[in-house]
Amino acid sequence: ETGVTQSPTHLIKTRGQQVTLRCSSQSGHNTVSWYQQALGQGPQFIFQYYREEENGRGNFPPRFSGLQFPNYSSELNVNALELDDSALYLCASSIGQGGQYFGAGTRLSVL
Amino acid sequence: GIQVEQSPPDLILQEGANSTLRCNFSDSVNNLQWFHQNPWGQLINLFYIPSGTKQNGRLSATTVATERYSLLYISSSQTTDSGVYFCALRGDSNYQLIWGAGTKLIIKP
Repeated sequence: ETGVTQSPTHLIKTRGQQVTLRCSSQSGHNTVSWYQQALGQGPQFIFQYYREEENGRGNFPPRFSGLQFPNYSSELNVNALELDDSALYLCASSIGQGGQYFGAGTRLSVL
Repeated sequence: GIQVEQSPPDLILQEGANSTLRCNFSDSVNNLQWFHQNPWGQLINLFYIPSGTKQNGRLSATTVATERYSLLYISSSQTTDSGVYFCALRGDSNYQLIWGAGTKLIIKP
C-alpha cells in the first residue's frame, strides 16, 4: 500500500453533470498530481498542486479544476461532464518533484 | 518536448523466465520512475532511478542517463508480475511526468 487513498472507487454520472473526486496524500507528502487514464493508454497529466497552489497544468480544459487543502489532501472537480471524460482518474503524492506514489484510482463512467 | 519510447510493447513469457524491458528517452532527465500497473488499475512505484542501478528482490533497474535509456529486469517471473510496466520521466525543463506507452507483460503458469 502506498498510503494514498482516493474516493470514491467507482462513479457513474450522466453527461452535463459535475463530479468531485478526492485524494488523501501519503503522510509527509506536500505535492499532489492528478492524471486521467483512458482504457489501454498511459496516464495523462491533468495538473499538480504544491502547498495549496496549482504548480503546473497539462492540456486539459478549464472545466477540470482542483484544490489542495492545508493538510495536503486534494480534490479534482470536473464540470459539464462529457462522454470522453470516462476514464480512470489517478492521484499521486510526492515530496516536491520526487518519486510519485499513486492511489488506487477512481473509475468514472459518463453515460 | 521530451519523447519516451518503451519496448517491447507486448511480452508473453512462461513462469520462471527472465525479461528485460527498455525505456529510451530523447533528452536529459532529473526524474525517472518505473511503475507496474496491475490488472485492477493500481499503479505501483517500482523504482525512482534517474541514474545508476537499484535492486529490489527479483526486480532491478539501470538508468544510463548519458546514453538516454533505462532498463527494467525481472527475474524468475511469477504470474503476479503480469500487467503493464510504465516508464515515466521528467526533463530538466518540465514539471510534469512524461509517460511511455507501456509494456504489457503476460506471465503464463
